[in-house]
Amino acid sequence: NAGVTQTPKFRVLKTGQSMTLLCAQDMNHEYMYWYRQDPGMGLRLIHYSVGEGTTAKGEVPDGYNVSRLKKQNFLLGLESAAPSQTSVYFCASSPGAGAKETQYFGPGTRLLVL
Amino acid sequence: RKEVEQDPGPFNVPEGATVAFNCTYSNSASQSFFWYRQDCRKEPKLLMSVYSSGNEDGRFTAQLNRASQYISLLIRDSKLSDSATYLCVVNLGSSNTGKLIFGQGTTLQVKP
Repeated sequence: NAGVTQTPKFRVLKTGQSMTLLCAQDMNHEYMYWYRQDPGMGLRLIHYSVGEGTTAKGEVPDGYNVSRLKKQNFLLGLESAAPSQTSVYFCASSPGAGAKETQYFGPGTRLLVL
Repeated sequence: RKEVEQDPGPFNVPEGATVAFNCTYSNSASQSFFWYRQDCRKEPKLLMSVYSSGNEDGRFTAQLNRASQYISLLIRDSKLSDSATYLCVVNLGSSNTGKLIFGQGTTLQVKP
């Protein structure tokens, strides 16, 4: 039982390049989330999914797209990377949306955009 | 105004000290509350949930004051291993698809 895993762990991109971050969970969770974490800002929600085939925008969705074709995977895409997207990206999953539910996080992906 | 506000610190304390962190939240419809711990360059991990009656887990005590929209975390007998960033987290509930709102974190450094 690996929990939540993220690929890659670290990546350097040039401005304008594209990439996809992969999040996988083996806990059969319905809900999945993508966050970014920047110094002094805390974690901010980019996009989320309440089930296979569904996605929705979070607090800071601009410049990102997501897909949830399989329940266990949640992909985050950057179509044209910008230096402002330099950040640490965390994926999380949760069994449900109830008030008592918490989220389980992956180890993060560090992205540097030059 | 941020939805969840914390004093970023850092709090520098000696081993064995008692330290308290505070957090305020702005959304009165918030359903549940948590403290997460985040070690340097690691992912956040749940430390404890916060219940209205207050709850304790070993050296850690969490309290909630809904009227004042205020959450606290008390750490007694601090250990070197307690050095980390502590995130105050609010769950807006199922009507908001279980979204969590994170404070920016309070950094604790416990020194020998």
